[in-house]
Amino acid sequence: NAGVTQTPKFRVLKTGQSMTLLCAQDMNHEYMYWYRQDPGMGLRLIHYSVGEGTTAKGEVPDGYNVSRLKKQNFLLGLESAAPSQTSVYFCASSTGQGYNYGYTFGSGTRLTVV
Amino acid sequence: GQQVMQIPQYQHVQEGEDFTTYCNSSTTLSNIQWYKQRPGGHPVFLIQLVKSGEVKKQKRLTFQFGEAKKNSSLHITATQTTDVGTYFCAGRSGGSYIPTFGRGTSLIVHP
Repeated sequence: NAGVTQTPKFRVLKTGQSMTLLCAQDMNHEYMYWYRQDPGMGLRLIHYSVGEGTTAKGEVPDGYNVSRLKKQNFLLGLESAAPSQTSVYFCASSTGQGYNYGYTFGSGTRLTVV
Repeated sequence: GQQVMQIPQYQHVQEGEDFTTYCNSSTTLSNIQWYKQRPGGHPVFLIQLVKSGEVKKQKRLTFQFGEAKKNSSLHITATQTTDVGTYFCAGRSGGSYIPTFGRGTSLIVHP
């Protein structure tokens, strides 16, 4: 049982390049989330999904797009990377059943945009 | 919108001293969760509190939920170097499925 797997773990992009971060979970969780973590800013929600085929904007969605074509996968896309998107990105999932559920986080993707 | 404030931002302690981090919400919470993130790692779920005045313990860690369900605390007794990391609270209010995370308290334990 791998939990939540994120790929890649590290990436360096040039300004203007695009990339996709992949998140996969094997716990049959309904809810999936993308967060970014910057020093002193805690965890900020980018986008989330409450089920296959659904997505919604979080606190800081600008410059990102997401897709949830399959229940187990949640993709985060950067169409034109900017240095302000240098961050550590965490994917998380939860059951969504009632309120008694904690998040399971992936190990993160460290992205640098130069 | 809902705000969750966490204090202090950093705390240095000598090994063996106690540590407390506080979480305060601008709105009444339906529940609050606590997470620990080791340096270079990812957040790991510790516990969830739901009831007003609830107190839960995990070994040396004591979690409390305020009577008004607007604040919470995490207390660590006799810290060890293994307690080093950042502790986050995350609170849900109303009918929201999505919790709001505090900015975290980084605990540094000096041997």
